[in-house]
Amino acid sequence: DIQMTQSPSSVSASVGDRVTITCRASQGISNWVAWYQQKPGKAPNLLIYAASSLQSGVPSRFSGSGSGTDFTLTISSLQPEDFATYYCQQANIFPLTFGGGTKVEIK
Amino acid sequence: QLQLQESGPGLVKPSETLSLTCTVSGGSIGSTTYYWGWIRQPPGKGLEWIGCIYYTGSTYYSPSLKSRVTISKDTSKSQISLKLNSVTAADTAVYYCASLRKAVTAVDYWGQGILVTVSS
Repeated sequence: DIQMTQSPSSVSASVGDRVTITCRASQGISNWVAWYQQKPGKAPNLLIYAASSLQSGVPSRFSGSGSGTDFTLTISSLQPEDFATYYCQQANIFPLTFGGGTKVEIK
Repeated sequence: QLQLQESGPGLVKPSETLSLTCTVSGGSIGSTTYYWGWIRQPPGKGLEWIGCIYYTGSTYYSPSLKSRVTISKDTSKSQISLKLNSVTAADTAVYYCASLRKAVTAVDYWGQGILVTVSS
């Protein structure tokens, strides 16, 4: 299985801050990464697919980058509704695997 | 727009079989666009992929669950089913039905999730 190591596990930030979350794959997966946002009690929501493609309806302050083994999700200017947990997922091969999650908390 | 709705018992006894159904509306599970799958999340923990099925009937399972899990489909009813046998307390989780866009293997649509507790 491909392991996805996500960091940090939590981050405290203020509204307007730039936040960066990273995910490292245990082997090369080209650009096959997706990113999700999950709020408490809700199903996750797809933000980014294929490492850098923005899902329809997702604000442009979210962006993704990377290829190979290292990937990044960036929130350019944190908004109140962005406080949530974020997960990466490798989409290169079955079995699909997720990172452990990053909780973005209010500073 | 696809809508997915999970249903099934919220309480299952240890050693028994967990059975859930996902009813899909707004699209066909015979579509070539999507895999139809299940993902779970234990309380307070992260996401775990269980497996998925394609319109051809091909299935893909998590190796850690493969010996206990079966995913099937009923195209006439527009339903996907999950069976997980010999459950233990470790199988307590919110179970999500999901549609994965085949071209990018990412989950476009999620069900609302159903909490299944394994307890006697």
